[in-house]
Amino acid sequence: GAVVSQHPSWVICKSGTSVKIECRSLDFQATTMFWYRQFPKQSLMLMATSNEGSKATYEQGVEKDKFLINHASLTLSTLTVTSAHPEDSSFYICSAPPAIGANVLTFGAGSRLTVL
Amino acid sequence: GDSVTQMEGPVTLSEEAFLTINCTYTATGYPSLFWYVQYPGEGLQLLLKATKADDKGSNKGFEATYRKETTSFHLEKGSVQVSDSAVYFCALSDQMGNTPLVFGKGTRLSVIA
Repeated sequence: GAVVSQHPSWVICKSGTSVKIECRSLDFQATTMFWYRQFPKQSLMLMATSNEGSKATYEQGVEKDKFLINHASLTLSTLTVTSAHPEDSSFYICSAPPAIGANVLTFGAGSRLTVL
Repeated sequence: GDSVTQMEGPVTLSEEAFLTINCTYTATGYPSLFWYVQYPGEGLQLLLKATKADDKGSNKGFEATYRKETTSFHLEKGSVQVSDSAVYFCALSDQMGNTPLVFGKGTRLSVIA
């Protein structure tokens, strides 16, 4: 089946540094990927839609300069948290439709970011 | 906008008990409905789905029926196991494809032996 791989699974960084999270579709091509953020004991909030070869579409309230998204190829999207602060600590999850037009999403295992 | 409401957790059950997790939705058009499960320390996995009214999704003993008249998609299992302990998310997709899902807040289930 379709597999989405995220890396790293865990990352701890100092305040003010930048962190890059990679999301790869391993056995399918993804023109679109979705980045979610999950707060403790809360649901998943859509942050942005990553589009291969074009700019990402950000949800209202998400700072695009803070959360840089690059979808450079059909199998890779990256989320860079720039100048991270403790309030950015969260669980970030990417997902992609396993086939063009599919209305179901395959999720990565998530990346837990802790900013000290 | 579209939204999903599911029952507050946590839910604690004994092994072999009957499980119901309520989920209702608000959406324009005819959404597809999903249940995802998140086991401790892992990402989300699709548990089951239904794409039109009266469809029943089922997997691993779990079932949910798409009820348009009550805008509901309640998750049920007749006999839970300890290994079913996880967080369950109800979600919808309001369009045909390549669109993000709207999630409920999740319900944590703990099954004790």
